[in-house]
Amino acid sequence: EAGVAQSPRYKIIEKRQSVAFWCNPISGHATLYWYQQILGQGPKLLIQFQNNGVVDDSQLPKDRFSAERLKGVDSTLKIQPAKLEDSAVYLCASSLGPDWSDTQYFGPGTRLTVL
Amino acid sequence: AQKITQTQPGMFVQEKEAVTLDCTYDTSDPSYGLFWYKQPSSGEMIFLIYQGSYDQQNATEGRYSLNFQKARKSANLVISASQLGDSAMYFCAMRERLYGNNRLAFGKGNQVVVIP
Repeated sequence: EAGVAQSPRYKIIEKRQSVAFWCNPISGHATLYWYQQILGQGPKLLIQFQNNGVVDDSQLPKDRFSAERLKGVDSTLKIQPAKLEDSAVYLCASSLGPDWSDTQYFGPGTRLTVL
Repeated sequence: AQKITQTQPGMFVQEKEAVTLDCTYDTSDPSYGLFWYKQPSSGEMIFLIYQGSYDQQNATEGRYSLNFQKARKSANLVISASQLGDSAMYFCAMRERLYGNNRLAFGKGNQVVVIP
């Protein structure tokens, strides 16, 4: 079974530029998550989708971050404009469902550096 | 308040020995799940093992086992017969049914280095 796919793996941009990350979840997984992981910390949830609807985006900085999951499969996370503090690893995860007992499986992540 | 506490400093482990990684958690929810993930330097977060709050037996998955002490709110990961490929950061995480906004809350991680 194929895992969660993410691209690109690495991205370097200058502040105020825009960037987009792509995620393809495990086939059949209805729930998709985007996390931000700052160096030395655990991941922090940015947004959770159930199929193509947003369940939780309370920690997403909406003035610069946006995300969509068209057709309930692939998802894109965008940052516009980027700030220095956005340098982090962006992890996408998926699970069969949204329940507390559903295991989340993560992709390889995108390492973003903002100069 | 910190939901998950992982306080051990970086650990060096001899190859083929066992290592225990400590994790304590804080919740008043009777229904919760505990997860351990491994993150090598490549950055991917790899799921290792799951323990549900109602599970009577400690979870095991190959060389990984979870020492679940519910009354002490402790969920320590035991890695038996360490291998060089076990060198990584290890994260303990919890998800509650009623509290925590149904989010997976991570600890700060434990660094493990396996030496030959």
